[in-house]
Order: sequence, then C-alpha cells, then structure tokens
Amino acid sequence: DAKTTQPPSMDCAEGRAANLPCNHSTISGNEYVYWYRQIHSQGPQYIIHGLKNNETNEMASLIITEDRKSSTLILPHATLRDTAVYYCIVRVAGGAQKLVFGQGTRLTINP
Amino acid sequence: DTAVSQTPKYLVTQMGNDKSIKCEQNLGHDTMYWYKQDSKKFLKIMFSYNNKELIINETVPNRFSPKSPDKAHLNLHINSLELGDSAVYFCASSRDGLYNEQFFGPGTRLTVL
Repeated sequence: DAKTTQPPSMDCAEGRAANLPCNHSTISGNEYVYWYRQIHSQGPQYIIHGLKNNETNEMASLIITEDRKSSTLILPHATLRDTAVYYCIVRVAGGAQKLVFGQGTRLTINP
Repeated sequence: DTAVSQTPKYLVTQMGNDKSIKCEQNLGHDTMYWYKQDSKKFLKIMFSYNNKELIINETVPNRFSPKSPDKAHLNLHINSLELGDSAVYFCASSRDGLYNEQFFGPGTRLTVL
C-alpha cells in the first residue's frame, strides 16, 4: 500500500470549512483513497473514499487531483463534534484488505 | 442497534494471566478484524478472518490466538499477558466486495499490571 503524508495537526473555526490535505505521490492506478476518523476514545469511523473523481456524501467531500498524487478531505461546515484524528489511507479495493493507519491529522474545531 | 460490539470495555489484569476479548457483529459481514492501538496511538492490524478462516496474521506473538466460532463472532484470546500488551484493542468487520468499508467496535482497553 502506498504511503501517505498528512500534517500532524490543524485547527478550524466552528461553522467554517475544514480542508484536510493528504499527499500520496506513489499511489498506483488501482489504489483508492480512503478517509477514516477517530473521535477520542472511539473506534475509527469510515468517512469517504474515491479513485479519481471527486466524491461527496453526507459527511464530507473528497477532492483528488488529476495526477492522483494528493487529495483533500473537506468538511463543509465543521462542528465541535468533528474534532478527531483524520486518517488518509491508500489501498487497493476488493478482498479483505487491512487498513494501514499512519499518524493522521489531529483536527481541532474551535468555538 | 449496535453494529460491532466488544466485551469487556475495560480489562485490568496481572502479568502472566490469560484473558479473552469478545467481538460480535450484527451486520451480516463476512470478514472480521482485530486491530491494536498502543499508547502512542498507532493503530495496527493484528488478524483478519473471512468466513471463519484466518487470512491475515500480522507477525503477532503466538500468545495471541483469535477464534471465530461463526461469521458473526471473532474472539481474541491472550495467554501469559505481558506489560507490553496494554493497549486498546478494536474489532472491525466488513462485507466482501470491492470497497469493503470497515466498521469498528468501541474498543477494549486492556491494562496489564
């Protein structure tokens, strides 16, 4: 699985959009970008995934650059409950694939 | 409705003891996992079972033995507990398929004294 690089921490004001970057310059053509988050003392939670097109669901949007070497997770209107560690994971789809977690980005939403 | 549940939530025990952590999922998934999160907050895969068959075993000491009595359950038994086993253990499950999003349980905090 390709390695990812994320900033260790970020701050965002409540109600504003939180943009979390992720670099994955060695991503292969068959690898997807997944985002999970872990709110304090809870199990990780799936957010979104994508291959090359931008994706949006009820939680977030995922913007993947055309060369697929980086992506941005966007939480459009951050709330205090979005304070968590966000993990960007790159892996192939299919099968029982393990998730390889890096250090992630600790996002703090400030009132 | 709890999708992935673990028992116990907290487990405090002495070195050398044997203990088990239980995991159950009611999502009808075929694959279940155990992850370990250490004191530095690194999350690492330990095992994965698909339809009761072991498919991932990530260089875990053989004191750790997963057991899957059926598709909905994956238990973790740990023999001769050591101080370094203190961590939070997460169970997860996913369905077979292309994207297989993983659903995690609430975790079991194991403290070995």
